[in-house]
Amino acid sequence: DTGVSQDPRHKITKRGQNVTFRCDPISEHNRLYWYRQTLGQGPEFLTYFQNEAQLEKSRLLSDRFSAERPKGSFSTLEIQRTEQGDSAMYLCASSTSGRGETQYFGPGTRLLVL
Amino acid sequence: AQTVTQSQPEMSVQEAETVTLSCTYDTSESDYYLFWYKQPPSRQMILVIRQEAYKQQNATENRFSVNFQKAAKSFSLKISDSQLGDAAMYFCAYRSAIVPGAGSYQLTFGKGTKLSVIP
Repeated sequence: DTGVSQDPRHKITKRGQNVTFRCDPISEHNRLYWYRQTLGQGPEFLTYFQNEAQLEKSRLLSDRFSAERPKGSFSTLEIQRTEQGDSAMYLCASSTSGRGETQYFGPGTRLLVL
Repeated sequence: AQTVTQSQPEMSVQEAETVTLSCTYDTSESDYYLFWYKQPPSRQMILVIRQEAYKQQNATENRFSVNFQKAAKSFSLKISDSQLGDAAMYFCAYRSAIVPGAGSYQLTFGKGTKLSVIP
């Protein structure tokens, strides 16, 4: 068990550019979550996968955001036409199924949009 | 919708002393889980302790314990014998225990409390 990993850890981009983040969950975990954390706030839910199926999206996830989880393994989160308001920490968490699940978080990707 | 409130943006504690972090939540559900997560500076969030609403006994994990008051919707974290490594942001989080179909067990977080430990 190597934990949840995320890449890159930091990303600086110019407004209008596209960015993609990757999350590798704990290997046996079939559930994967993306959260966004802005300065001074707690994480907020963005989207959720069970295996390869994206089953839930927050209203925070505008149409510039897209997430995938091919083959139910790693996941990617893409932001198109980035805006300064997208600057945040993007956290990934994974868990196994069941009411007693505990989510384990990755180190996050800190995005700065200039 | 559920909400989680942490009313103490910052707290400090002397090394080896005890500190209590507050958390209140609002929900109409009776079956849920509560969590405390720790987020050290520039490091990933880790689970400190969790409590199931149907369990009356307060959860404990070594130096960490909670005071769960279901009727008052209060869930405070007590850290005993504080250590320098306890310095971090602490987040209280809520999630439902029952979701329809294949719904998500998404977490709802408070804004966090920054804990400083004074040597």
